[in-house]
Amino acid sequence: DAGVIQSPRHEVTEMGQEVTLRCKPISGHDYLFWYRQTMMRGLELLIYFNNNVPIDDSGMPEDRFSAKMPNASFSTLKIQPSEPRDSAVYFCASSRDNYEQYFGPGTRLTVT
Amino acid sequence: GENVEQHPSTLSVQEGDSAVIKCTYSDSASNYFPWYKQELGKGPQLIIDIRSNVGGKKDQRIAVTLNKTAKHFSLHITETQPEDSAVYFCAASKYRGQLTFGSGTQLTVLP
Repeated sequence: DAGVIQSPRHEVTEMGQEVTLRCKPISGHDYLFWYRQTMMRGLELLIYFNNNVPIDDSGMPEDRFSAKMPNASFSTLKIQPSEPRDSAVYFCASSRDNYEQYFGPGTRLTVT
Repeated sequence: GENVEQHPSTLSVQEGDSAVIKCTYSDSASNYFPWYKQELGKGPQLIIDIRSNVGGKKDQRIAVTLNKTAKHFSLHITETQPEDSAVYFCAASKYRGQLTFGSGTQLTVLP
């Protein structure tokens, strides 16, 4: 299995621009999670989906962040407009049974 | 909400020695405790996990113990090797899917 796939691996953008991060979960996994990792706050759960439906988005920091899962093999996390404090590594993870979560390689976002 | 504390933040051991990382959690309803290993530039990798209905689990050189009464769990790595050097994270979950992570331990195995 290819594992969780994320793109792009690195993204550098200017403040105010829209950023879209992409994720392809492991085939057959019904749960998908978006995390953010920073030195200050560690690993934080932003939102998770079950069968393409958002279940808990309480970790989404503010309205500038949105996530979608149009089908079982694709999800996006969008930031509009981006701000320097959004700079972080964003991880996508998937799970078959909502216990064991398998992480992708992450997208390193830098907002200047 | 759940709070997970992890110690130590850094740990250096000689190759072949054992390493122990400890975590405490605040919510007695938590029932799932995974451990992740994160190498530089990579995503966290699940290395072992335990559910609250057992007190311990072992997989080759890695073992995890759980004390529900004291609300703490530990990761034990025996016969450490240089490739064990990484950041290790513990996590706890009360509701399926909602992992709360510890702050991480940078383990360095000295050759």
